[in-house]
Amino acid sequence: SQQGEEDPQALSIQEGENATMNCSYKTSINNLQWYRQNSGRGLVHLILIRSNEREKHSGRLRVTLDTSKKSSSLLITASRAADTASYFCAMIYGGATNKLIFGTGTLLAVQP
Amino acid sequence: EADIYQTPRYLVIGTGKKITLECSQTMGHDKMYWYQQDPGMELHLIHYSYGVNSTEKGDLSSESTVSRIRTEHFPLTLESARPSHTSQYLCASSPYQGASYEQYFGPGTRLTVT
Repeated sequence: SQQGEEDPQALSIQEGENATMNCSYKTSINNLQWYRQNSGRGLVHLILIRSNEREKHSGRLRVTLDTSKKSSSLLITASRAADTASYFCAMIYGGATNKLIFGTGTLLAVQP
Repeated sequence: EADIYQTPRYLVIGTGKKITLECSQTMGHDKMYWYQQDPGMELHLIHYSYGVNSTEKGDLSSESTVSRIRTEHFPLTLESARPSHTSQYLCASSPYQGASYEQYFGPGTRLTVT
């Protein structure tokens, strides 16, 4: 399976702390995306990092990509209770398709 | 906020019934997708379409079928629902052909088959 693995599976932190989630994948990718899902609803795209990029920022989000280790991390700084959600990495592999392969997800709980 | 809609949001139905889950988007996207997701688990692609009259099966085998007669509409049908079909079904769309851009998701339909 080409599916990505995420860790930790679940993470509980206090408001104001930073949260780091990791994603590992199996074969070469075109790009890697991170999505957020609030309590069983649809997913919302957060950030995309291309295979030739190493780091990307968007507001309080920082994503890194290490293609040699086939891994990515998502850092949320100064977390808020509203950040409580499941976070999924999703990979697009080679070829002309736009099919996403999702990771197993990290459930983040931010305590007020 | 993405302009992609799914109805119904929740459906509880008995075994053997035929059901259709609706998905519509007003963004003019060519690519549309159906995913299946069990609670707390990853998403699995079950169907996708690159445009009108184009449908393909995804990575997870599914007894459901789809159609794409209009760009904005991508319904999913189960001819005879079974308890094993109980899951959340998420529809998504994407704007660019052959490019690796983000997908926009609907709110999902939570299906329970009793």
